[in-house]
Amino acid sequence: EAGVVQSPRYKIIEKKQPVAFWCNPISGHNTLYWYLQNLGQGPELLIRYENEEAVDDSQLPKDRFSAERLKGVDSTLKIQPAELGDSAVYLCASSFSGGLQFFGPGTRLTVL
Amino acid sequence: AQSVTQLGSHVSVSEGALVLLRCNYSSSVPPYLFWYVQYPNQGLQLLLKYTTGATLVKGINGFEAEFKKSETSFHLTKPSAHMSDAAEYFCAVSATSGGSYIPTFGRGTSLIVHP
Repeated sequence: EAGVVQSPRYKIIEKKQPVAFWCNPISGHNTLYWYLQNLGQGPELLIRYENEEAVDDSQLPKDRFSAERLKGVDSTLKIQPAELGDSAVYLCASSFSGGLQFFGPGTRLTVL
Repeated sequence: AQSVTQLGSHVSVSEGALVLLRCNYSSSVPPYLFWYVQYPNQGLQLLLKYTTGATLVKGINGFEAEFKKSETSFHLTKPSAHMSDAAEYFCAVSATSGGSYIPTFGRGTSLIVHP
């Protein structure tokens, strides 16, 4: 069974540039999460989707971050423009109806 | 509101020695508690969870944890460390929101295993 797939695994950009991350959840999982993991910290929830609806985006910095899950399957997280402080690992996780979460390998973003 | 405190950002043990990673939680409702492991450049993998029932929970790779309500603790142990146990370990506490787990993670403890 395939796990949560994320791409790219690594991304290096200059500040003020846009960047996008993609996540494909485990087949059949209707709940999808994006987390931010800063160096030396635990993951922090950015946004949670139930199917295509964002049900919790209170921690998403909406001035520069956006996310979508148009067909209720895969999802894209975008940052525009990126800032130095956005350097971190962005984790995607999925679950069936909000149950136990399975995590992807993450995208490590470096902003120069 | 809920939070987790992991005592010690780094724990160093010798191979074959007891592993003890400490976790204390705060929760306004009966908590669900989790331990995750993260190997370098990988996502988080669930080691074990406590929801209800038996307070001693056994997980994968020989790990176990005990829920102690009176101490608000959920410490992770393994009788004998193996080199492959070297990783980052995260404790998490979760209430439920409409039936969904929403975990709050601790800062993590890095386990170092010496030969």
